[in-house]
Amino acid sequence: EVKLVESGGGLVQPGGSLRLSCAASGFTFSIYEMNWVRQAPGKGLEWVAYISDSGTTIYYADSVKGRFTISRDNSKNSLYLQMNSLRAEDTATYYCVREHIEQLVPWGQGTLVTVSS
Amino acid sequence: QSVLTQPPSASATPGQRVTIGCSGSSSNVERNVVTWYQQLPGTAPRLLIYSNNERPSGVPDRFSGSKSGTSASLAISGLQSEDEADYYCASWDDSLNGRVFGGGTKLTVL
Repeated sequence: EVKLVESGGGLVQPGGSLRLSCAASGFTFSIYEMNWVRQAPGKGLEWVAYISDSGTTIYYADSVKGRFTISRDNSKNSLYLQMNSLRAEDTATYYCVREHIEQLVPWGQGTLVTVSS
Repeated sequence: QSVLTQPPSASATPGQRVTIGCSGSSSNVERNVVTWYQQLPGTAPRLLIYSNNERPSGVPDRFSGSKSGTSASLAISGLQSEDEADYYCASWDDSLNGRVFGGGTKLTVL
């Protein structure tokens, strides 16, 4: 079974940092592109970042560029999102999502990040 | 404000057909494929339609997608109560170098 399990969410103060992790299983992680997508409470989906299978190509949404860093460790079947200089508007559930020919499937269950003092 | 524009809500009665639109531009919908995602209350989104009009295995043929120019649409026929969910369109945007989503459409089955 293809599975993605996010972890690392929690409560952090504005200006703080947090590192999200996503453990992948049930498929050959190293040959798939990966994404982070977030959803603020009661709001729609917002794409955050993309990383190619080898990690050599990376894209970010303008809203997080310069503050967030996506990375992966294919030897550990893991995807990461380092989030710095966090703002209240970064409060959201963050989903780890596999990409296959423009299809985002499957989605993890999500991890909630709350930025508040 | 989302790059792709969807109506915030739609409604219909069981058995009816409903269509949800997704309006984009030449840098996204017109040049790239459109995918649709369904998000049931309290759950993660799931892929519903890919490559504009293809259904993954397990998705009923009541769901169909289409695209023309800078617009796409999702049609649901034979509406059922379990179709009540939020629906999102998505595409890659060549100008932004990123994936863009519609704002989502909340479908209510009356």
